[in-house]
Amino acid sequence: TAGITQAPTSQILAAGRSMTLRCTQDMRHNAMYWYRQDLGLGLRLIHYSNTAGTTGKGEVPDGYSVSRANTDDFPLTLASAVPSQTSVYFCASSEDGGGYGYTFGSGTRLTVV
Amino acid sequence: AQKVTQAQTEISVVEKEDVTLDCVYETRDTTYYLFWYKQPPSGELVFLIRRNSFDEQNEISGRYSWNFQKSTSSFNFTITASQVVDSAVYFCALSTANFGNEKLTFGTGTRLTIIP
Repeated sequence: TAGITQAPTSQILAAGRSMTLRCTQDMRHNAMYWYRQDLGLGLRLIHYSNTAGTTGKGEVPDGYSVSRANTDDFPLTLASAVPSQTSVYFCASSEDGGGYGYTFGSGTRLTVV
Repeated sequence: AQKVTQAQTEISVVEKEDVTLDCVYETRDTTYYLFWYKQPPSGELVFLIRRNSFDEQNEISGRYSWNFQKSTSSFNFTITASQVVDSAVYFCALSTANFGNEKLTFGTGTRLTIIP
């Protein structure tokens, strides 16, 4: 089934450790996004990429980095995790022009202890 | 800057009642898109509807209907004859149509509980 695959589904991470959340899409969408979801705050954009080779900062980029080496993959890296990064992370993609719609992955639940 | 406001944090209604979820948005763009997503207890985001800024016609899909009013910058969502399966968190979202700068901005969500 076409869509977005996120891995892992959940993870408990010790503070100070690094981790990469993986996101892969098979729809050849140009744009990809990372959101975090926190209770009472909705989903907030961390980083985005409009096309392979380019990335940009969203609303809450601090502590996170991304890369976009090819169209399909958009990994999110936490270099040194802190408890405030405990959240559910969603990866999404869209065709050119977000108005065509966005496809979301199933999310990664990350707990930093 | 874009902003989406869902003032209702939580709503509870008895099954079979009608319920309306409010959404107010802010944008300086003349072309934009509005969305509603459902997040059931399982956690995934389920797309419900997309509406572009040039189409103010209301839409009905089964028990769901949407009222888009540009004059009040609102895109409200009504569930008629609610069912327990409608219990979820509902998000309203806004996307601009500026190519190369499209980002989806979410409201904070409304948690809807349908009481059997």
